Amino acid sequence: GQNIDQPTEMTATEGAIVQINCTYQTSGFNGLFWYQQHAGEAPTFLSYNVLDGLEEKGRFSSFLSRSKGYSYLLLKELQMKDSASYLCAVMDSNYQLIWGAGTKLIIKP
Amino acid sequence: DAMVIQNPRYQVTQFGKPVTLSCSQTLNHNVMYWYQQKSSQAPKLLFHYYDKDFNNEADTPDNFQSRRPNTSFCFLDIRSPGLGDAAMYLCATGGGNGANVLTFGAGSRLTVL
Repeated sequence: GQNIDQPTEMTATEGAIVQINCTYQTSGFNGLFWYQQHAGEAPTFLSYNVLDGLEEKGRFSSFLSRSKGYSYLLLKELQMKDSASYLCAVMDSNYQLIWGAGTKLIIKP
Repeated sequence: DAMVIQNPRYQVTQFGKPVTLSCSQTLNHNVMYWYQQKSSQAPKLLFHYYDKDFNNEADTPDNFQSRRPNTSFCFLDIRSPGLGDAAMYLCATGGGNGANVLTFGAGSRLTVL
């Protein structure tokens, strides 16, 4: 079967750095996505990785290792507004998105 | 601004009373998706359209139907909602290109009494 694993919940302090991990087992691979979802709202796109390595976009970075089936999302200089769920999703060989259940990130002052 | 618009944002219905949720897009994307998402769970794909080609997920109950009369609009019909169908329903579009980034609407939250 196909599955995406990520921690259910994480807590971090405002101004700090947090790394959210995602491991996956899918039928083929056509890219990995990270989405941010605030409570009661729709997911919004954060990043896309299809090649190994680090993609940096402002305070957010995403890393991919295809050989290990592993990605992480790194959030720097955390702000209270970063409190949200972070969803990892992988596009399989049929171009279907396989979603993780999301990691709820709680930011404390 | 180009976007994906869902209506209504909040829908309350009674057990067994049919509901229709709508989605419109101005992005001219050829792929449209309907997802069901329950609290703290991953979005679950119900169906998707590639242009007019309809793709039903194998585990989508018959109680859920969809229509796409044209590129811009897509509807989700829930024929006889049960308590277990209370959820957020998300419409998303995709350009069908290599990156396939999805653009989501704000969602329709369904409550079943």
